[in-house]
Amino acid sequence: NAGVTQTPKFQVLKTGQSMTLQCAQDMNHEYMSWYRQDPGMGLRLIHYSVGAGITDQGEVPNGYNVSRSTTEDFPLRLLSAAPSQTSVYFCASSLVAGRSYEQYFGPGTRLTVT
Amino acid sequence: RKEVEQDPGPFNVPEGATVAFNCTYSNSASQSFFWYRQDCRKEPKLLMSVYSSGNEDGRFTAQLNRASQYISLLIRDSKLSDSATYLCVVGNNNNDMRFGAGTRLTVKP
Repeated sequence: NAGVTQTPKFQVLKTGQSMTLQCAQDMNHEYMSWYRQDPGMGLRLIHYSVGAGITDQGEVPNGYNVSRSTTEDFPLRLLSAAPSQTSVYFCASSLVAGRSYEQYFGPGTRLTVT
Repeated sequence: RKEVEQDPGPFNVPEGATVAFNCTYSNSASQSFFWYRQDCRKEPKLLMSVYSSGNEDGRFTAQLNRASQYISLLIRDSKLSDSATYLCVVGNNNNDMRFGAGTRLTVKP
């Protein structure tokens, strides 16, 4: 199993551009999520999904969209990039949507918005 | 006030030392608790879950104090390979997980 994969590893955008960060898992996990990690702050939940066709907002959803058309894939779309979205983005998955299950993280995408 | 607070460190300890980290959380309704480890420029990985009765995994011991709303992690006989950032994670309901900013540990020869 590849686990959780993310592409790209690095990305530089100009303000106002849009792009999609890709995330895929091959573990047949029900739950998937997107976090951003900024210096001095913990990982913050952007959006999450408890199954195909179901998504919900996390702590910091503004400026981001998600969809979950398949169990495997959970792309994150930046609609109009802003410098405040410069961050490291992690995708994670968990076997079952629930509070006590280990989350497996992808390797991260380092995004810079100029 | 952050929902999950940790001392950022850094903690610099010699090999073989015992080191302890604490984490406090503000939501008394929190239901699940974890310690994750994150190496520099890598993704977080689960170190251990924290149970009400406390739990141990080799050199690592985790404790939960619900009354005072804190979680601790004790590392005995520190190894160089323990150098990392340790993230405290608190689950409120379903998949609402809140992460602390992490405590950085450096173990020196």
